[in-house]
Amino acid sequence: DQQVKQNSPSLSVQEGRISILNCDYTNSMFDYFLWYKKYPAEGPTFLISISSIKDKNEDGRFTVFLNKSAKHLSLHIVPSQPGDSAVYFCGGDAGNMLTFGGGTRLMVKP
Amino acid sequence: DTAVSQTPKYLVTQMGNDKSIKCEQNLGHDTMYWYKQDSKKFLKIMFSYNNKELIINETVPNRFSPKSPDKAHLNLHINSLELGDSAVYFCASRRISGSEREELFFGEGSRLTVL
Repeated sequence: DQQVKQNSPSLSVQEGRISILNCDYTNSMFDYFLWYKKYPAEGPTFLISISSIKDKNEDGRFTVFLNKSAKHLSLHIVPSQPGDSAVYFCGGDAGNMLTFGGGTRLMVKP
Repeated sequence: DTAVSQTPKYLVTQMGNDKSIKCEQNLGHDTMYWYKQDSKKFLKIMFSYNNKELIINETVPNRFSPKSPDKAHLNLHINSLELGDSAVYFCASRRISGSEREELFFGEGSRLTVL
């Protein structure tokens, strides 16, 4: 039972364009959502988060949007840079347990 | 100075053996976790632990057990290793204070290969 789903395993965009990574969840108990970025042979690193009482959070080039009624969130990266190429994990937090989706591999082409 | 450190980084062992992976955090966090990233790259939570309670993902076999000698350490013990246990195991920690939750900090991962 996957509580967090990232239906696109990979995404390829041109440098300078917008990258949009999507995430769907089923657990209504999630009250906090986080995005993590992972490079090969490294641990995931925190990118941006959003509380369930908000619908948008912005940090520099990264913006996360939350649509609670649709149980959907998305991460926008504008403009995309080659260094953004990594695997992005979406996570839903219900207190002590943070559950992640399967990840989306983003490739930003120069 | 690494915030969350795991040892060993690589572990190759035979089926049936018992092994441990150690994790230490120097961030003063009160909650620690173990995650498993399998061959399909899913990052699955195994355990959540603070000094008050242990939460176990019900899909984790009881051959896996977390051991916490103190707040800064959460070791993972695996008995009777099976081929399907081959994966990268990530330790993580965070601070949870009332309704306030900080982000997770992950270690670099420990790649376990069972032959």
